[in-house]
Amino acid sequence: DAGVIQSPRHEVTEMGQEVTLRCKPISGHNSLFWYRQTMMRGLELLIYFNNNVPIDDSGMPEDRFSAKMPNASFSTLKIQPSEPRDSAVYFCASSSGGTLPYTFGSGTRLTVV
Amino acid sequence: GQQVMQIPQYQHVQEGEDFTTYCNSSTTLSNIQWYKQRPGGHPVFLIQLVKSGEVKKQKRLTFQFGEAKKNSSLHITATQTTDVGTYFCNAGGTSYGKLTFGQGTILTVHP
Repeated sequence: DAGVIQSPRHEVTEMGQEVTLRCKPISGHNSLFWYRQTMMRGLELLIYFNNNVPIDDSGMPEDRFSAKMPNASFSTLKIQPSEPRDSAVYFCASSSGGTLPYTFGSGTRLTVV
Repeated sequence: GQQVMQIPQYQHVQEGEDFTTYCNSSTTLSNIQWYKQRPGGHPVFLIQLVKSGEVKKQKRLTFQFGEAKKNSSLHITATQTTDVGTYFCNAGGTSYGKLTFGQGTILTVHP
């Protein structure tokens, strides 16, 4: 298994631009998580999907952030418009259930200038 | 929501010394997981504990779940430079359906 696949690995964009991060979870995993990691705030859960349905989006910072999971093998996290404070590493993780071990992708390092 | 406190935030040790990080909750946990993140990498699952008083070992790493299922520890015996990284606990209660990561302990090992 190729594991959780995220793209792009790095993204540099200008403030105000739209950014889309992509994630392919492990086949058969029915739970998907988006995390943001910064030195100041650590690992923050942004949103959690179970069977493609958003279960908990209380961690999404504001309306500029949106996430979708159109099918079991693909999810996106979109930031529109992006701001410099959105600069962070964004991780996608999947598991066979919300409380079972998570497999993380390699992350997307986002820099907004 | 569920909150877990992880201490210490930082730990600097000389190679060969032992290291322990603790994860504490004010409420009973259904299970707890431990992860390691190498510098520049992503969190990697190490182990999951579900039973009260459970102790598991992986080579030099020993994981414990408290009798009351409110705390857990990760102990590394005789640290090596390869142990460098951030260690996270990820824990939750049965009512939450998902887990919450602790703040992590950053381990530095001086050769």
